[in-house]
Amino acid sequence: GAGVSQSPSNKVTEKGKDVELRCDPISGHTALYWYRQSLGQGLEFLIYFQGNSAPDKSGLPSDRFSAERTGGSVSTLTIQRTQQEDSAVYLCASSLEGLFGETQYFGPGTRLLVL
Amino acid sequence: KQEVTQIPAALSVPEGENLVLNCSFTDSAIYNLQWFRQDPGKGLTSLLLIQSSQREQTSGRLNASLDKSSGRSTLYIAASQPGDSATYLCAIYGQNFVFGPGTRLSVLP
Repeated sequence: GAGVSQSPSNKVTEKGKDVELRCDPISGHTALYWYRQSLGQGLEFLIYFQGNSAPDKSGLPSDRFSAERTGGSVSTLTIQRTQQEDSAVYLCASSLEGLFGETQYFGPGTRLLVL
Repeated sequence: KQEVTQIPAALSVPEGENLVLNCSFTDSAIYNLQWFRQDPGKGLTSLLLIQSSQREQTSGRLNASLDKSSGRSTLYIAASQPGDSATYLCAIYGQNFVFGPGTRLSVLP
């Protein structure tokens, strides 16, 4: 009975490097969401995948951020040329169909520190 | 643009007390509102989901209400326990997902 899993759990990188964060949603869930939580800040929506539809990228903070979802399952969030302000916990969630009113199930997050 | 606030920012109560956490939002055009808890170093756990057409939801010792017209939701926790200590977040799903900053709750034994 696996929930949403994310890897790595922690990532330390140097400014300017690229990083990839991975999310494995609950099996059978067609909707996948990425959020980030910066220190002392609330959760910030980044991107939403639903089935084979084009993702809703409205929350991505800059063009250094991108995300893919391969085969409708695993998703990778990529941050290029990382900056110190990218340091945050990146949370992934999934839901069954991405319909309004569905409960989202969250992973434990990836804690990113950019030095 | 939807803005979500939560009051209080932090709360410390003795075990056994009943308590209320507040969430306010500026745009009443929402689909649903969800309450989460977040434990340190962990992801979010969904507690209660209220559809825009509903006024409240209950789960065990938790009760959440929604008043769209006034832009408010409350989370009521009955007979609080030390295990309830966590940060509680409300999240609004309207044009997109917007989360409040959270209320950090400490229940003292």
